[in-house]
Amino acid sequence: QLQLQESGPGLVKPSETLSLTCTVSGGSISSSSYYWGWIRQPPGKGLEWIGSIYYSGSTYYNPSLKSRVTISVDTSKNQFSLKLSSVTAADTAVYYCARRRIVVVPAAMIEWFDPWGQGTLVTVSS
Amino acid sequence: SSELTQDPAVSVALGQTVRITCQGDSLRSYYASWYQQKPGQAPVLVIYGKNNRPSGIPDRFSGSSSGNTASLTITGAQAEDEADYYCNSRDSSSNHVVFGGGTKLTVL
Repeated sequence: QLQLQESGPGLVKPSETLSLTCTVSGGSISSSSYYWGWIRQPPGKGLEWIGSIYYSGSTYYNPSLKSRVTISVDTSKNQFSLKLSSVTAADTAVYYCARRRIVVVPAAMIEWFDPWGQGTLVTVSS
Repeated sequence: SSELTQDPAVSVALGQTVRITCQGDSLRSYYASWYQQKPGQAPVLVIYGKNNRPSGIPDRFSGSSSGNTASLTITGAQAEDEADYYCNSRDSSSNHVVFGGGTKLTVL
């Protein structure tokens, strides 16, 4: 059974860079069928997609965060990572990693995130 | 860009049927997926595609779509269905992802 686990500092100072890693177990991150994504959720608020990466390294970022976000993949470690620079208090959130599946069917495209990691709270504070 | 709009809150009596909707232009081209999130837990996929349920999701959960609106229906709502529900789709003009704002479901 595929499992994802986020790891990284729980506290980051304003203006610094937030760095998180997602470790994938029970399956290969190099599968051609999947993308891998980061999603965050500020306390008491909804879900926000940060970005996605393919095992080849192709990336797609939320336009609102694109200037500050870098997502990378390390297939040798079965991990992918998130870096978010110049953080402020508004970046305080639970950060989730998840597998994204995209399937093309006649006249349609189906995609979803499953499974998700348990999430990790990152607080931006001095 | 694209947005997905959900009602902030919906309530249903125990055992009754409830429909949670998600509206957005991208839904004319792409199916929505639906996630259930209980307090302090990660989201869980409940519906994807036209009307597909992952293994372990009760068959009282179903999905449908018409025009720019996707719907998640719970037939015979149970107390354990009380949660936040989010829809998700692709932005109609890119490979970007969008989430709805979420609907808080209360089971009375």
